[in-house]
Amino acid sequence: AQKVTQAQTEISVVEKEDVTLDCVYETRDTTYYLFWYKQPPSGELVFLIRRNSFDEQNEISGRYSWNFQKSTSSFNFTITASQVVDSAVYFCALSRYTGNQFYFGTGTSLTVIP
Amino acid sequence: DTAVSQTPKYLVTQMGNDKSIKCEQNLGHDTMYWYKQDSKKFLKIMFSYNNKELIINETVPNRFSPKSPDKAHLNLHINSLELGDSAVYFCASSQRLAESYNEQFFGPGTRLTVL
Repeated sequence: AQKVTQAQTEISVVEKEDVTLDCVYETRDTTYYLFWYKQPPSGELVFLIRRNSFDEQNEISGRYSWNFQKSTSSFNFTITASQVVDSAVYFCALSRYTGNQFYFGTGTSLTVIP
Repeated sequence: DTAVSQTPKYLVTQMGNDKSIKCEQNLGHDTMYWYKQDSKKFLKIMFSYNNKELIINETVPNRFSPKSPDKAHLNLHINSLELGDSAVYFCASSQRLAESYNEQFFGPGTRLTVL
């Protein structure tokens, strides 16, 4: 069975601090895909990143970076120098090799305090 | 241009009523989905259609019936609404079903409130 755990329900940080959002997944598949989505207060879900199970390279996009470690089944997301606009709920999701069914984590609500 | 659109954005109705939510995507995608997000923000897949064919049908009450007239549209009809149906319903779409690396594009959501 597939499962995604985001143990951090809510996080508050002061602006300009770095923050890491944890994501741990469970699957017996050897090929799978991992995603992060952002849901700002306005409510829409915004795609941030996709990673396949064969690519363990970390990725950096501006202030965002992702650390994928198969050994620990984790796909963590770090925001550097956080800003108020980063305040949102962030979801990690797992997709199996076929079927494109997403298994979402329960989300982490991030509040960045000015 | 709106990629995935849903109507209405807000829906307030009485218990026992029947209502529909419409979804349209202009991305040329083959696969569409309905998700329910509860008050705790938990996102759960309800249905998935690929080229008008039902692919995923999670355990949802049969009061919920999806309909896909063509691959660009996936509507959700709910009969005999109950208080517990209050939630935000998201429509999403993605490219070919077999290519699971494709991200899903979400609509803006429909906030359903059952009184």
